[in-house]
Amino acid sequence: QQPVQSPQAVILREGEDAVINCSSSKALYSVHWYRQKHGEAPVFLMILLKGGEQKGHEKISASFNEKKQQSSLYLTASQLSYSGTYFCGTGSGNTPLVFGKGTRLSVIA
Amino acid sequence: SAVISQKPSRDICQRGTSLTIQCQVDSQVTMMFWYRQQPGQSLTLIATANQGSEATYESGFVIDKFPISRPNLTFSTLTVSNMSPEDSSIYLCSVEGGVGPRSYTFGSGTRLTVV
Repeated sequence: QQPVQSPQAVILREGEDAVINCSSSKALYSVHWYRQKHGEAPVFLMILLKGGEQKGHEKISASFNEKKQQSSLYLTASQLSYSGTYFCGTGSGNTPLVFGKGTRLSVIA
Repeated sequence: SAVISQKPSRDICQRGTSLTIQCQVDSQVTMMFWYRQQPGQSLTLIATANQGSEATYESGFVIDKFPISRPNLTFSTLTVSNMSPEDSSIYLCSVEGGVGPRSYTFGSGTRLTVV
């Protein structure tokens, strides 16, 4: 079952914050976050395995609420380099990842 | 983390022909995954390729259209057969093994245009 991401797109000015959400109707074992720049392959940002645990990558962090089957990606003090499409991928044990439709983030000067 | 070499990076093909995409990994991996990404869309899993066994295809994808080979633990090919313009997409291979635990690394992708 494909996870649902919101918003579909967001435009930020440098230094602003954003939150991207990912939810699933299925119980989740893990949530993965990837960023894909135009014309490039997706790049791994982080994985969350436990409920409520936050992980961090530079000024990007994420949370995972097992009970609500949701994850949120937090981008603080955004930089131009943050622009791209963010995908969440959900997994259940050893099954391959199923990706959401993506959130297109544009950071402008 | 695993490094994947995928080729070709792009191709323009005539309808009705076939294209074989190759992925070479710099370490041995049990499973390799093949994804399709249509323009501006998400990544859709085509199949999972295990060495020494038939690939497992997702709903909507069949072996006759997307035959996969997995001759050893570092290499796999995906063939797009009897192509039509609807097959125009980016095709990516992926393996588990990246910068973090249970992260996945992707090849650089093959951008296919069918005319």
